[in-house]
Amino acid sequence: GAVVSQHPSRVICKSGTSVKIECRSLDFQATTMFWYRQFPKKSLMLMATSNEGSKATYEQGVEKDKFLINHASLTLSTLTVTSAHPEDSSFYICSATFGQNSWGAFFGQGTRLTVV
Amino acid sequence: TQLLEQSPQFLSIQEGENLTVYCNSSSVFSSLQWYRQEPGEGPVLLVTVVTGGEVKKLKRLTFQFGDARKDSSLHITAAQPGDTGLYLCAGASTGTASKLTFGTGTRLQVTL
Repeated sequence: GAVVSQHPSRVICKSGTSVKIECRSLDFQATTMFWYRQFPKKSLMLMATSNEGSKATYEQGVEKDKFLINHASLTLSTLTVTSAHPEDSSFYICSATFGQNSWGAFFGQGTRLTVV
Repeated sequence: TQLLEQSPQFLSIQEGENLTVYCNSSSVFSSLQWYRQEPGEGPVLLVTVVTGGEVKKLKRLTFQFGDARKDSSLHITAAQPGDTGLYLCAGASTGTASKLTFGTGTRLQVTL
């Protein structure tokens, strides 16, 4: 199946700093990438939809200035958590699809962010 | 807001037992997918069902899409410890085919 690579898998940062998470589709061109947040023992919560070359669409309640998304190419999307605080600590996961694909999404392995 | 409720939320069974996980919604979906997620990893796609009433089998796993395309079930026969994980259903709506709404999740633990 298609491969989506997410980096880093774990990151610890100090409160007030920014962290960038990368999501790459390795063997296909992803027209759309999605960013999710997952709290412990909970399901995935969609944060934003990222389309190559255009601004991301954020879900209600997600601060666009805090969670900056850039989708500069068909194989790379980045999520930057700006001025991170301990409450931003979470598991962040990206997924990628191609076309108007309703057959399934391919997920990255996730990034565990800990803000201290 | 579309909601997908899964039941049960948590299930602990012994190896060899059978189980069924349900995924219910009041909304109609163009397709429904099932994923399994292990701790510290991203979800892995198990199956996609598209047609109302469709049944798909993947070894010991049987997936069914409801006739009205509002609900789905996952049945596991003779569960094994390797089946342990978080099972997530996810629905795609017509017109936003690639945007998924995830279910609340079912955590399965299979012990020896």
